[in-house]
Amino acid sequence: DAKTTQPPSMDCAEGRAANLPCNHSTISGNEYVYWYRQIHSQGPQYIIHGLKNNETNEMASLIITEDRKSSTLILPHATLRDTAVYYCIIRVTGANNLFFGTGTRLTVIP
Amino acid sequence: GAVVSQHPSRVICKSGTSVKIECRSLDFQATTMFWYRQFPKQSLMLMATSNEGSKATYEQGVEKDKFLINHASLTLSTLTVTSAHPEDSSFYICSARASGQGSQRELFFGEGSRLTVL
Repeated sequence: DAKTTQPPSMDCAEGRAANLPCNHSTISGNEYVYWYRQIHSQGPQYIIHGLKNNETNEMASLIITEDRKSSTLILPHATLRDTAVYYCIIRVTGANNLFFGTGTRLTVIP
Repeated sequence: GAVVSQHPSRVICKSGTSVKIECRSLDFQATTMFWYRQFPKQSLMLMATSNEGSKATYEQGVEKDKFLINHASLTLSTLTVTSAHPEDSSFYICSARASGQGSQRELFFGEGSRLTVL
């Protein structure tokens, strides 16, 4: 699986958009970009995933660069409950398991 | 959405005893479940892949005799930490993907089980 690089931590003001970057310069054509988050002492929660097109759901938007070497997760209006560790994961088509990197610890500040 | 449940959520045991953690898929069948371990302030590390009706596949460095995995049905996998020691204290998390779903559906994770060995 391709490696990912994320900043270890970020702060975001409550109500503002949180933009979490992820570099995956070695991604292959059949690998998807997945985002999960983990709130303290809970299991990871699925957020969104994409291949090459930008994606949006009720939780977030995923922007993938044209060369697919990086992506950004956007939480449009961060709340205090969005404070968590966010993991960007590259997953091969058909693979069942996920390998987690170190993630970004997002702290939403009142 | 699909739910994966773990039990117990917290367990404290004495050194040398064995502890069993259950992972259930509540509204779907899972031929494959995964067990992760997470130490404080670290990321999740895959321990093993649990396959219904067959032996589990362990990641390098994980002792199969120490961490016994049983996947006896399509909705239940168990992890038994045998002869637990303080260094086994950790947050154990399972995940599952429903059988027959498209290859890019998300994996569902349990709430995690925090083991403390005294």
